[in-house]
Amino acid sequence: NAGVTQTPKFRVLKTGQSMTLLCAQDMNHEYMYWYRQDPGMGLRLIHYSVGEGTTAKGEVPDGYNVSRLKKQNFLLGLESAAPSQTSVYFCASSYLSFRDSSYEQYFGPGTRLTVT
Amino acid sequence: GQQVMQIPQYQHVQEGEDFTTYCNSSTTLSNIQWYKQRPGGHPVFLIQLVKSGEVKKQKRLTFQFGEAKKNSSLHITATQTTDVGTYFCAGRPIPYNQGGKLIFGQGTELSVKP
Repeated sequence: NAGVTQTPKFRVLKTGQSMTLLCAQDMNHEYMYWYRQDPGMGLRLIHYSVGEGTTAKGEVPDGYNVSRLKKQNFLLGLESAAPSQTSVYFCASSYLSFRDSSYEQYFGPGTRLTVT
Repeated sequence: GQQVMQIPQYQHVQEGEDFTTYCNSSTTLSNIQWYKQRPGGHPVFLIQLVKSGEVKKQKRLTFQFGEAKKNSSLHITATQTTDVGTYFCAGRPIPYNQGGKLIFGQGTELSVKP
C-alpha cells in the first residue's frame, strides 16, 4: 500500500515550457486535490476532483489545468510555466465527505518545481 | 473570501517549554483538522475536532475547538526535539462545500533548541 505518490520529485523548467505532474493513490479515495505551498502562505488549493471524470477550480487555479481520467490518478498541467509558479506542489486524497463530517487528507511527498 | 488566520508564524522554544498555536476563522466552521509537516516532508494528519467546545488530547498535545466554532488551538506541553515542524490548522467552512475542501492556515513553524 503506497498511499499517495507523486512524480517527479524535482523539476526545473524554463519560462514558457510545459509539464505535467502525476499523482496516484491506491486507497480508492473519491476526492483528490492539488495544492501549492509557498513560504508563509500555507497550502493553497489549485484544483480538486470529487470523482473520476470531474474537476473543479480551487483558490488559485490560473495557469494550471487538471484531469482525472481514472479514479486513482490526478494530473496537474502547466501549459506555459512562469517564475511565479515556482513552488512545492502537493497532491492529496480523501474519502468522500458528508454534510457534517470530513475525512483526513492523505498527502503525497511533494514535487519541488523551479521555473527560471 | 473565507480565511483561516494562524499565529504565530514562527516560534522558537527551549526544549521543555510549552508551545501554543492559534487559528481564527472568518466564518463558522463545520470542523477543523490539524496537520504536522516535518522539515522537508509532507503534511500528516493529527486530529479532527467537530463539536463546539471540544477538547482532545494526544499525549503531550491538547487540541481545542472554540464554542463558536470559529477558532481553535494546539498546545504542546514540555516540547521535545521531535516536535519540530510546521503545524497547520485546516477548517471546513459552513455553508458546506462539495469535495470536502479545507481552508488551511498559514502554519506555525516550531523550532526546539535542545
